[in-house]
Amino acid sequence: EAGVAQSPRYKIIEKRQSVAFWCNPISGHATLYWYQQILGQGPKLLIQFQNNGVVDDSQLPKDRFSAERLKGVDSTLKIQPAKLEDSAVYLCASSWGDREEGYTFGSGTRLTVV
Amino acid sequence: GEDVEQSLFLSVREGDSSVINCTYTDSSSTYLYWYKQEPGAGLQLLTYIFSNMDMKQDQRLTVLLNKKDKHLSLRIADTQTGDSAIYFCAETLTRNTGGFKTIFGAGTRLFVKA
Repeated sequence: EAGVAQSPRYKIIEKRQSVAFWCNPISGHATLYWYQQILGQGPKLLIQFQNNGVVDDSQLPKDRFSAERLKGVDSTLKIQPAKLEDSAVYLCASSWGDREEGYTFGSGTRLTVV
Repeated sequence: GEDVEQSLFLSVREGDSSVINCTYTDSSSTYLYWYKQEPGAGLQLLTYIFSNMDMKQDQRLTVLLNKKDKHLSLRIADTQTGDSAIYFCAETLTRNTGGFKTIFGAGTRLFVKA
């Protein structure tokens, strides 16, 4: 089975610019997650989708971050405008929803804001 | 509260056993996980344990859970250089609004010396 696909792998932007990340989860996985991983830290949940509905976006900085999963399959995460502290790896993960199986993660997008 | 703590570094010699420790704070945790992250990659699920178990063994991996002390450990037998990576402990909690969420620790970087 194909893994979780993310693009781009790397992105360098200037502060105040906009950026978008794309994720295609494993086929059939109803639940999709976006995590932010700052260097030296564990992943922090930004938003969780169940199909195309938002389950949890309590940690998403909504003044600058937005995410959508329109058809319940792939998803995009956008930052507008970016700040220096947004420099991190953005990880997408998906799951069937059963806790035993844990999550399958993509390789992430490394964002550097200069 | 919601917090997962791990020591930051561990160094072992090839062939020795590695023990990575984790403490968590929420006694309502249902599943606890160990993930592995290699450089430039996403997190890979290694193993999990349900909260009503105290031990789980899977080939070279042994997970011990002390629910009274909220302590989780991962033992890797016969550690190899390919085991060098960051290991994340994670707990799954029940949300107040229903469903579940997973909290990750900051990760333990394992160095294996040849």
